[in-house]
Amino acid sequence: DVKVTQSSRYLVKRTGEKVFLECVQDMDHENMFWYRQDPGLGLRLIYFSYDVKMKEKGDIPEGYSVSREKKERFSLILESASTNQTSMYLCASSFRLGAKYSNQPQHFGDGTRLSIL
Amino acid sequence: GQQLNQSPQSMFIQEGEDVSMNCTSSSIFNTWLWYKQDPGEGPVLLIALYKAGELTSNGRLTAQFGITRKDSFLNISASIPSDVGIYFCAGHPDRGSTLGRLYFGRGTQLTVWP
Repeated sequence: DVKVTQSSRYLVKRTGEKVFLECVQDMDHENMFWYRQDPGLGLRLIYFSYDVKMKEKGDIPEGYSVSREKKERFSLILESASTNQTSMYLCASSFRLGAKYSNQPQHFGDGTRLSIL
Repeated sequence: GQQLNQSPQSMFIQEGEDVSMNCTSSSIFNTWLWYKQDPGEGPVLLIALYKAGELTSNGRLTAQFGITRKDSFLNISASIPSDVGIYFCAGHPDRGSTLGRLYFGRGTQLTVWP
């Protein structure tokens, strides 16, 4: 079974802090994704990565950055946390079958519920 | 970006009833996926569809890939309390370089009364 592990289930931070959310997958997947989930808005893609050191902006990248130094690990960074970044953050991973194209399902972690005070 | 319209937004049903929900897109998709999210957990893949017209079952769940390739349906038969959760449709567009990116509907919140 695919295992996507997010480092924390719950996290409380203060405004202005630099926040790191970590995600590790054990299935040798090329693609990794970060989403945030807010009531009524569904899942919104922040950033994704299709290979080590590669990253692509999703729909809401402002205020976030990412790091992919190893294939199995994808980190989301809030450079200076703000209260509007309080949310549920979900990490996912999937296989990439071709050079630029993949239609494989994504597998999700259990999420990190982040509160910024 | 791609828009997926998922309906209904929420459903309140009695245990034992059947449930139907659907998802439509403005463009052709080549993959449709259905996920379920339990409260406080991440989404879990229920069914994956890869061919127009494909009908696939997973226990009491049945999903279909619409023949227009712009829609998909999920049916749950004889609902039980543990069916409670949020159901998401998701898909891959047919054209262009997607790098594995999925597009999601906003979810259907299902509540089952005993």
